[in-house]
Order: sequence, then structure tokens, then C-alpha cells
Amino acid sequence: DAGITQSPRHKVTETGTPVTLRCHQTENHRYMYWYRQDPGHGLRLIHYSYGVKDTDKGEVSDGYSVSRSKTEDFLLTLESATSSQTSVYFCAISEFTLGSPLHFGNGTRLTVT
Amino acid sequence: QKEVEQNSGPLSVPEGAIASLNCTYSDRGSQSFFWYRQYSGKSPELIMSIYSNGDKEDGRFTAQLNKASQYVSLLIRDSQPSDSATYLCAVDPGGGSQGNLIFGKGTKLSVKP
Repeated sequence: DAGITQSPRHKVTETGTPVTLRCHQTENHRYMYWYRQDPGHGLRLIHYSYGVKDTDKGEVSDGYSVSRSKTEDFLLTLESATSSQTSVYFCAISEFTLGSPLHFGNGTRLTVT
Repeated sequence: QKEVEQNSGPLSVPEGAIASLNCTYSDRGSQSFFWYRQYSGKSPELIMSIYSNGDKEDGRFTAQLNKASQYVSLLIRDSQPSDSATYLCAVDPGGGSQGNLIFGKGTKLSVKP
């Protein structure tokens, strides 16, 4: 299994509070991604990174920011959590660009009350 | 809008039968195609990759790709109850996608003993 660790695994937070999710990889892969998965919507890309300090927006980036200060760590921050951000968040990594599959972490279940 | 479409199911097959899962995609320039299996409450797990027209076999799994018709399918032979899961089709549209896969919403497979 790809060495991807997400933390925390579960989190309950209140509307308006900041939340940071962490993804740590031991594979030294250049590309890292944050997806959210919701019933009826499937997996949707939030942000991705193609190197240290190099990030870009995905399909559903509003309300989220990311940072990557080291190859192994990719942080997802909800600056002011809303109930619509209740979801399961998956981090994924990829070794290359064209033709490479993604390998997923175990996910973080976030509930915003 | 690049899309990947799957029948949501549930698809129910008896143990030992062949399960056939289908996926269509909208971007004719797509080059890489993947099937993931996701058990309830778990993260997606890569089971097959296919890049060329035709069939690719791996154990009980066969992926089929037809780029002219823009569909990719997954056959599971000798289906087992342990194959009961949601199967996600994912497509790399290429063209600078930076490895961002487009996912279908998944087909839920139930294998009855």
C-alpha cells in the first residue's frame, strides 16, 4: 500500500471555526491531491499540488486553501467551516502526470455542526 | 464539462456469475482509464488500469476499452460476495490535466451467495 496517512480520521467541528486536515506521504511523489466525496456527487477535486509551494485549484475549491511546504506534507484548510463542507475528504498521490493512477489515503470524515 | 458516466446500480449478481460494469466518458482526447473498488467506509483502491483499445486481464478482472465509442468496461468473472463494493471509473483527460482524474459516481455491486 502507498504510504499515505491522513489526520485526523474523524473530526466534528462547529460552523465558523477553522479546520486543517493533514496528508503525509512517504513515497516522495511529486503530485498530491485533495478530493471530497459526497453522496450523489462522487469524488470531486478540491486542490492539488505539483511540487513544493506549487498548488492549483480544482473543481470545488471555494472555501478551501492548501499549503505544501515539504514534499511529504499537503495541508487542506477550511478557513471558516460551513455545514456544506461536511464530507469525507481523501488525499491522493501520484508519481507522474500522464497515465499515472492515484493512490488514496484512508480519508477524513468531517462533520460541521 | 468533462464527464464520466456510470450506472449507479445497484447491480446484483449471483455468486459465480460474471458482473459487467460500464462507463462512458465525454472527452474524446482521454488517454488513461482506471477502475477503483471502494468498500463502504473505505478509500478507493486501484484495481485496473487500461490505456489501449482492447482487453486487459488481471486475474478475475478484465478491463475493456473502446476509444471510438468512448466507453470502458470492467468484467468480474466468478463473482464472490467479497466483490460487493462500489466500483468507480476514472479517466485522465490528458492535455495538461496534471493527473487530475475525472471520476464517475460509481456503480454499486452486490454479489449474492
